[in-house]
Amino acid sequence: QVQLVQSGTEVKKPGSSVKVSCKASGGTFTKYTFIWVRQAPGQGLEWMGRIIPIVGMTNFAQKFQDRVTIAADKTSSTVYMDLSSLKSNDTAVYFCASGYYDVLTGYHRVYFDSWGQGTLLTVSS
Amino acid sequence: QSVLTQAPSASGTPGQRVTISCSGSTSNIGTNTLNWYQQLPGAAPKLLIFGNDQRPSGVPDRFSGSKSGTSASLAISGLQSEDEADYYCAVWDDSLNEWMFGGGTKLTVL
Repeated sequence: QVQLVQSGTEVKKPGSSVKVSCKASGGTFTKYTFIWVRQAPGQGLEWMGRIIPIVGMTNFAQKFQDRVTIAADKTSSTVYMDLSSLKSNDTAVYFCASGYYDVLTGYHRVYFDSWGQGTLLTVSS
Repeated sequence: QSVLTQAPSASGTPGQRVTISCSGSTSNIGTNTLNWYQQLPGAAPKLLIFGNDQRPSGVPDRFSGSKSGTSASLAISGLQSEDEADYYCAVWDDSLNEWMFGGGTKLTVL
């Protein structure tokens, strides 16, 4: 189980972009898959996308397809999430999470047992 | 609106047993293993149940999970005040190639 530490609070203007980082420690980075999940004030968890660093594969929720990028830097064991064209309703806490990924057992068996502390993004003019 | 359906709220008194359900479809719960997460107020989610019915180390055996067809349930027995939290089911959807989270159930301990 890795430990995840996210970058700090962000305040952005509508139309701009934000980049949130998630640094993993305590495990072999390439044995894990990572997801980004956000939670708007008073709302539930919303999946944004995933990355499997060992193969560089990414998938995104359809609603974020055009605006989100997820990347992994294996040298620093850090995952990044970029969200562009920010709107006020992007105001939320953004979480990264990791789960062990074994290609032999399949991705559908992944579970996320490590979570970052969350990064608050406020989008306001 | 979430693809996975959960009741928005549940409640019980200390010591009681409560059940939280999660309903999906053949492309998600019907095919893949389901996980449950607990989110205490102001905190990050925490893995509670994985693989439909497995508890990570450190999770009390008061928490149990089950799955049947396209539905799953989380049961909490011997309810305690510290169980007051939001509970989310989550599963990979083979048709959408997305992780699905339920809308969450807010559990109140009366």
